Amino acid sequence: GAGVSQSPSNKVTEKGKDVELRCDPISGHTALYWYRQRLGQGLEFLIYFQGNSAPDKSGLPSDRFSAERTGESVSTLTIQRTQQEDSAVYLCASSPTGVGRELFFGEGSRLTVL
Amino acid sequence: KQEVTQIPAALSVPEGENLVLNCSFTDSAIYNLQWFRQDPGKGLTSLLLIQSSQREQTSGRLNASLDKSSGRSTLYIAASQPGDSATYLCAFTGFQKLVFGTGTRLLVSP
Repeated sequence: GAGVSQSPSNKVTEKGKDVELRCDPISGHTALYWYRQRLGQGLEFLIYFQGNSAPDKSGLPSDRFSAERTGESVSTLTIQRTQQEDSAVYLCASSPTGVGRELFFGEGSRLTVL
Repeated sequence: KQEVTQIPAALSVPEGENLVLNCSFTDSAIYNLQWFRQDPGKGLTSLLLIQSSQREQTSGRLNASLDKSSGRSTLYIAASQPGDSATYLCAFTGFQKLVFGTGTRLLVSP
């Protein structure tokens, strides 16, 4: 596709369940980012992938959060044993090779934990 | 640690006004500056990208400037329209990841 694609667009789950969010970056983009945005708040960095380098996981809030990326394509963000405070929009972005290139965002996955 | 502040937090103007949104940062070691808009319930749309060697970029009614020495960027919107109503975010790329400001919520009334 032409843009960054995220799925599901909406996910409602019960507390304690695991969820998996998917991001399909723009073809050829080697950098991929995950951000979280809670209602009425700013963007919170979660994790960054650049090519085959070790990811920057410094933003992951707890060990319940993990993310993987297969080569330079799809990424999945997994949240285990979800809590109500995990409710947020999870945004994925990609950019071409190199630091400082323009970032393109997907529409986000809205997660609601009941 | 890079801190990014956006002022004002919210702005309400009548249609047709020119306006300026401000963004300040604490670390001058940046690679680029990017301005985004975010509509309610949507993702972010890139508006303008300024590389660190540049001072400004223009796209239609939008003009963004970057002054690394003062740690500031401004987004100028000319002849504002109701369709410009959104939250505007600035972000700086340092070594790896974008650091976002908290945004300015703009409302343009007809």
